[in-house]
Amino acid sequence: SAVISQKPSRDICQRGTSLTIQCQVDSQVTMMFWYRQQPGQSLTLIATANQGSEATYESGFVIDKFPISRPNLTFSTLTVSNMSPEDSSIYLCSVTQGAHPGELFFGEGSRLTVL
Amino acid sequence: GESVGLHLPTLSVQEGDNSIINCAYSNSASDYFIWYKQESGKGPQFIIDIRSNMDKRQGQRVTVLLNKTVKHLSLQIAATQPGDSAVYFCAEFLGGYNKLIFGAGTRLAVHP
Repeated sequence: SAVISQKPSRDICQRGTSLTIQCQVDSQVTMMFWYRQQPGQSLTLIATANQGSEATYESGFVIDKFPISRPNLTFSTLTVSNMSPEDSSIYLCSVTQGAHPGELFFGEGSRLTVL
Repeated sequence: GESVGLHLPTLSVQEGDNSIINCAYSNSASDYFIWYKQESGKGPQFIIDIRSNMDKRQGQRVTVLLNKTVKHLSLQIAATQPGDSAVYFCAEFLGGYNKLIFGAGTRLAVHP
C-alpha cells in the first residue's frame, strides 16, 4: 500500500488567513482525493485531484475556498482560504492504489483549528 | 458534500464478545463497499471490502455482510479485543463517478 505523508499534521490558525496542506505519496498515483472530517463526524469528499487537469469539486465546495494543485503524480496541495472557525477540521489526503479503484489509502490527516 | 454523519453512535462490548456494526448506504448503483477503522489521531485504515455481487465476505476475525435489498451492510468482529476500540465507517463506491462516499461512523468501545 502507498505511504502518504501530510504536512502540517496540525496547526492553529487565525481567522481570515489561508493555509496550504501538502500531501506526498511514495509512489505515482493517478487519482488523489481530499476529504474533510469535521469534529465527531464522518468524512466528506471535497474534491478529486488528477494530474494535468483541474480538480473536480463536490457539491458545497468551491475552488476559490479550497484551491488544489496537482503538479505531478506523487504530490498535491489543498489550500483552505480565508479561514473561519467553521473550517476547523481534519483534512485528509487519500489515494487509490489497491486492487479496486474504490480502495483508498489515507494519510494521517492535518488537524486545523481556526480561532 | 455528501453523506456527512451528524452523530457517532457508540457500541459498547465486553472483551471477548462478538461485535456487530451496522450501516445503511444510499445508492443502489454502488458496486463496491469498504469498512474502515479509524483510531484516534489517525487516518482511516482499510479493514475489509465486498463487491455487490457477493453477500458475505470473511477476513481474519471480521466478516462483512451485504444486503442489497435493503441497502444494508454489517461488520462482524469476532472475539473483540481492546485494540478494536475505534470508530468504524462504511463506505460505498460510486463507480460511475469514481468516488468513495462515507457513511456515518460507529464508535466501538471495548471494555475489559
